[in-house]
Amino acid sequence: GAGVSQSPSNKVTEKGKDVELRCDPISGHTALYWYRQSLGQGLEFLIYFQGNSAPDKSGLPSDRFSAERTGGSVSTLTIQRTQQEDSAVYLCASSVGTSGPDTQYFGPGTRLTVL
Amino acid sequence: QQPVQSPQAVILREGEDAVINCSSSKALYSVHWYRQKHGEAPVFLMILLKGGEQKGHEKISASFNEKKQQSSLYLTASQLSYSGTYFCGTADSNYQLIWGAGTKLIIKP
Repeated sequence: GAGVSQSPSNKVTEKGKDVELRCDPISGHTALYWYRQSLGQGLEFLIYFQGNSAPDKSGLPSDRFSAERTGGSVSTLTIQRTQQEDSAVYLCASSVGTSGPDTQYFGPGTRLTVL
Repeated sequence: QQPVQSPQAVILREGEDAVINCSSSKALYSVHWYRQKHGEAPVFLMILLKGGEQKGHEKISASFNEKKQQSSLYLTASQLSYSGTYFCGTADSNYQLIWGAGTKLIIKP
């Protein structure tokens, strides 16, 4: 079956502009994660969705960042008034999510460059 | 609290063995290992759920010492395809994985 897909694969934007990043999780996966990975660094947790529960937004670095998940499937990460420090690869992952931390399947990521 | 991975980087000749460690200051429910090749997304290797549990994946195995709150990843007779950055993710009773900073593994022919 299809894996996690993300779009766009690359996004170049100007400082101050808003961007939307999209994630299509694996069908049937109830858990969805967003991470940020700066060049040569580890994974920084941003937000977590599980089914119909309220999302865990504890990793969002500022109120310029928001995310939603419609219909328990597709998710969009929005960054408002982008800054140069927002430049990074944004990774989405999904998992079955039935019990406890299980295998996360990652999408290819969106490379965001803020000029 | 981010788990600590060691070493930060290791360079091996093809066929040599390596050990990557992951330590946490918190009591752990599980440890997850992933490998990320340059420019690609992380790929799942294995999950360890119990103290002392060991698992294997090809010539890659891992152990999890729940009491010591640490896990080790063992790469035996390394192959060129093993090159990449290895991340451990640790979880307490919660759902959320906390990721280590990664260990970069370079395999030379």
